[in-house]
Amino acid sequence: LAKTTQPISMDSYEGQEVNITCSHNNIATNDYITWYQQFPSQGPRFIIQGYKTKVTNEVASLFIPADRKSSTLSLPRVSLSDTAVYYCLGAPMEYGNKLVFGAGTILRVKS
Amino acid sequence: DAGITQSPRYKITETGRQVTLMCHQTWSHSYMFWYRQDLGHGLRLIYYSAAADITDKGEVPDGYVVSRSKTENFPLTLESATRSQTSVYFCASRGTGGGDEQYFGPGTRLTVT
Repeated sequence: LAKTTQPISMDSYEGQEVNITCSHNNIATNDYITWYQQFPSQGPRFIIQGYKTKVTNEVASLFIPADRKSSTLSLPRVSLSDTAVYYCLGAPMEYGNKLVFGAGTILRVKS
Repeated sequence: DAGITQSPRYKITETGRQVTLMCHQTWSHSYMFWYRQDLGHGLRLIYYSAAADITDKGEVPDGYVVSRSKTENFPLTLESATRSQTSVYFCASRGTGGGDEQYFGPGTRLTVT
């Protein structure tokens, strides 16, 4: 399963756009690139997933270059409630969907 | 209640005791998973199940036992609890579609004294 590398922490202010980049040099051909969000004392929550190019939903955008060696999660106009840990991981399309969580990125949004 | 639930939410037990953590989901998802999360770390997979009566080891299975007699339930048992098993345990489930997201329960905070 793909090993991912993310910044340990990031700080931002309310209203700003936040981009968190993840490196995954050995992502498998049949892996989705997936991001989860985790608030303190809660289980992770799925944010967004993509295979290549750009994916957008009501929460975030995900940019994946053609070589798929990295991806960038973009959170538009963050608020204090976006303070959380964000995990980037490869999610196999096939059997089991065994996810490997790294340490994630702690995002702190300040007022 | 719809969704995925875990019980108990908090548990304190002594070294050497057996303890079972319960997980129940109402979506009839085929796949279920158990993770542990230690303070300041990401999640590590303990066991998973592809369907009733089908289970397999994850990254850190030692000291744990699982069963899945019914699709909706996936209990995790610590046969003889150790202090190193103090952690927060999360159960998750997903459907069978390619790329389906995993849905996580609220977690059980287990302390072994």
